[in-house]
Amino acid sequence: EAQVTQNPRYLITVTGKKLTVTCSQNMNHEYMSWYRQDPGLGLRQIYYSMNVEVTDKGDVPEGYKVSRKEKRNFPLILESPSPNQTSLYFCASSDRGYGYTFGSGTRLTVV
Amino acid sequence: AQSVTQLGSHVSVSEGALVLLRCNYSSSVPPYLFWYVQYPNQGLQLLLKYTSAATLVKGINGFEAEFKKSETSFHLTKPSAHMSDAAEYFCAVSEGSGGSNYKLTFGKGTLLTVNP
Repeated sequence: EAQVTQNPRYLITVTGKKLTVTCSQNMNHEYMSWYRQDPGLGLRQIYYSMNVEVTDKGDVPEGYKVSRKEKRNFPLILESPSPNQTSLYFCASSDRGYGYTFGSGTRLTVV
Repeated sequence: AQSVTQLGSHVSVSEGALVLLRCNYSSSVPPYLFWYVQYPNQGLQLLLKYTSAATLVKGINGFEAEFKKSETSFHLTKPSAHMSDAAEYFCAVSEGSGGSNYKLTFGKGTLLTVNP
């Protein structure tokens, strides 16, 4: 089954404790992206990647890092999480812009 | 830069009534347009997409949308609302395969409530 898999689904952490949210796709898509969803703001792009070793900032990149060492994986790294990064995070992949497949989401709470 | 405006953060209809969710976009290149639905505590599911073929696009669950270039609109409609349609709906635009950026830009969402 074609899918984007994110882990974990839920995460509660403390301020400053480094964490990684994993994202993997099995569709051989070149384009992958991370979004955060906040009430009243919709989804905003954090980072995206056009291909292996090619990443760039989206609209709200501050406090986040990404890497793309393999085509299928695109982890999101929070080096020092803060409460304002409490949000619902989605990973997505795309085949030339014709279709975007989203993961099930990761609900992160930073206390 | 591309942007999306969804008019009405909350729309309430009666079961059986017409559903109309409005979306206007701006894009410097011919756009690809999408509607996604998000049910409570779930991810985003693609309802339908416009990728420069027919301007009237039919999607899943009886929804359809019409691309109107002159109005820069891509409104979502369904003739008869069902209780199961209650969800949040997001309109999104991308610059498609013509450019190097496949970024998907979302509107802020419209919460649809269906009353019995």
